[in-house]
Amino acid sequence: AQSVTQLGSHVSVSEGALVLLRCNYSSSVPPYLFWYVQYPNQGLQLLLKYTSAATLVKGINGFEAEFKKSETSFHLTKPSAHMSDAAEYFCAASKAAGNKLTFGGGTRVLVKP
Amino acid sequence: DTEVTQTPKHLVMGMTNKKSLKCEQHMGHRAMYWYKQKAKKPPELMFVYSYEKLSINESVPSRFSPECPNSSLLNLHLHALQPEDSALYLCASSQDPTASYEQYFGPGTRLTVT
Repeated sequence: AQSVTQLGSHVSVSEGALVLLRCNYSSSVPPYLFWYVQYPNQGLQLLLKYTSAATLVKGINGFEAEFKKSETSFHLTKPSAHMSDAAEYFCAASKAAGNKLTFGGGTRVLVKP
Repeated sequence: DTEVTQTPKHLVMGMTNKKSLKCEQHMGHRAMYWYKQKAKKPPELMFVYSYEKLSINESVPSRFSPECPNSSLLNLHLHALQPEDSALYLCASSQDPTASYEQYFGPGTRLTVT
């Protein structure tokens, strides 16, 4: 069965510092991978997706993620954190041909001024 | 437009009430989903509709009854709920049920069962 692990349930960064959120997947076949962001009392918004076209994926709001098959990872980064980046971030995976999403446990990002 | 709308935004109901949650999308998507999300947890899949037919039921109790009247609408009928059913209920849609297109989520309905 496929699983997604996010290392660190909470991450605290200073405004202007690098944001790094870690995601590892467990699958014999590289899945499709997604990062979503959820602001308080809102739904999930897609940040970016990996669908095997390119290993470095650029998303919205200055975020990007790199797919590394050898490490079964899909870590999310943003060079400079902004106060508006404070939210919950979810990594998710689905099979190449399927529509069920498997979510990681989520990482809450706190941005300090 | 990549918007999924959900109504109501908040709902408080007693354990003997019957209520419904509504979800709508006009993106021409042919897959629609219901998720349940408890505080500080990821969303949990409840149901998937593919081409207006129920394709996945994740062993959800029968007090939750989904309905897909047409390709744009998805309802979740609620009856005899328990306090532990209080949660954020999210609707989502995706373009093609047979492929891994991204899912677009609505803002959710915050349900409180008293």
